[in-house]
Amino acid sequence: DAKTTQPNSMESNEEEPVHLPCNHSTISGTDYIHWYRQLPSQGPEYVIHGLTSNVNNRMASLAIAEDRKSSTLILHRATLRDAAVYYCILREPWGGSQGNLIFGKGTKLSVKP
Amino acid sequence: GAGVSQSPRYKVAKRGQDVALRCDPISGHVSLFWYQQALGQGPEFLTYFQNEAQLDKSGLPSDRFFAERPEGSVSTLKIQRTQQEDSAVYLCASSLVLAGGRRTDTQYFGPGTRLTVL
Repeated sequence: DAKTTQPNSMESNEEEPVHLPCNHSTISGTDYIHWYRQLPSQGPEYVIHGLTSNVNNRMASLAIAEDRKSSTLILHRATLRDAAVYYCILREPWGGSQGNLIFGKGTKLSVKP
Repeated sequence: GAGVSQSPRYKVAKRGQDVALRCDPISGHVSLFWYQQALGQGPEFLTYFQNEAQLDKSGLPSDRFFAERPEGSVSTLKIQRTQQEDSAVYLCASSLVLAGGRRTDTQYFGPGTRLTVL
């Protein structure tokens, strides 16, 4: 699975939008872009994933650059409960014997009231 | 329905002791993963099961680490003769699909077991 680059930390104010960037310049044409987040003292949880088109779900939106070398996770209105470490992960479309996720250090998001 | 559960949530061991960490995956999930997370780092893969078969143990750091899933559901991660560098959070995750399947599958994580070796 290809490597991703994320800022170490970001700050946001409550009820404002947050844009979390991820660079993946070596992405292959078939890699999916997944986002997970890890709240304090909890295991990671799935947020969203996409391939080429922008994606929306109840948690967030995923904006994917046209060349797919970067993507942005968008939280439309940050709440205090969104304070977490956010991980951007690339995954090949079909797995071999390994299906594990390869985490980087992620971006630690702080939300100020 | 119930998510992935792990027990104990916290474990303190003296150096040299053996420990056993339990994972109850979501019912019906074929794939089960163990990860190790050091402080301030992202989780790192340890081992993977497909039903009761351990298909990949390439991430286990030493032969002191052993995992099993004898009936294809509950899994146990055992660490023998614990050392201080084993202190970490141990995460278990399960997934509905086979690892060889489509990689859009979601992995569901438990809350982890925090192991502290004194």
